[in-house]
Amino acid sequence: DVKVTQSSRYLVKRTGEKVFLECVQDMDHENMFWYRQDPGLGLRLIYFSYDVKMKEKGDIPEGYSVSREKKERFSLILESASTNQTSMYLCASTATVNTGELFFGEGSRLTVL
Amino acid sequence: AQSVTQLGSHVSVSEGALVLLRCNYSSSVPPYLFWYVQYPNQGLQLLLKYTTGATLVKGINGFEAEFKKSETSFHLTKPSAHMSDAAEYFCAVTLYGNNRLAFGKGNQVVVIP
Repeated sequence: DVKVTQSSRYLVKRTGEKVFLECVQDMDHENMFWYRQDPGLGLRLIYFSYDVKMKEKGDIPEGYSVSREKKERFSLILESASTNQTSMYLCASTATVNTGELFFGEGSRLTVL
Repeated sequence: AQSVTQLGSHVSVSEGALVLLRCNYSSSVPPYLFWYVQYPNQGLQLLLKYTTGATLVKGINGFEAEFKKSETSFHLTKPSAHMSDAAEYFCAVTLYGNNRLAFGKGNQVVVIP
């Protein structure tokens, strides 16, 4: 089975802190994604990567950056956390040939105080 | 750009009754359509997908959906609801070769005993 692992299920940070959310997949997928999930808003794409060291902005990239140094790992970085970044963050991956069939991690719930 | 609309954020259904979740899409070219399910405290998982061919697609756990081009719809149904169907359901759309999905806002399904 495909496994997408998010390192932290729950995090509590303070305003202004730098936050790292880590995601690792074990299926050699080229594409990796970071989504933000908020009640009533569904999933919104923050950033995605279609190859190592490649990244593209999604729909809401402001306040976030990403890093993909290795194929299996995709990190989301909040340079200076703010309270409006309190949310559930979901990582996903897929092979390029599998259009739309994303495999998701269990999510990281971030609270910024 | 492609988009989907899901009406009614919360849907209550009695155990044993029909589950019907509506999804309408907007796309200028033939789309790929998906339903994902999210159980409590978990990530999303693929329920079913339409790419090409047969317009009635069957998924896991007894769910099915029908692609109707004339109505630009991809409604999800299950003949008889089970308590284990309580979850959030998301419709999504993309185009062939594009893994950047557009998600709907989701339907939270509550099953009443």
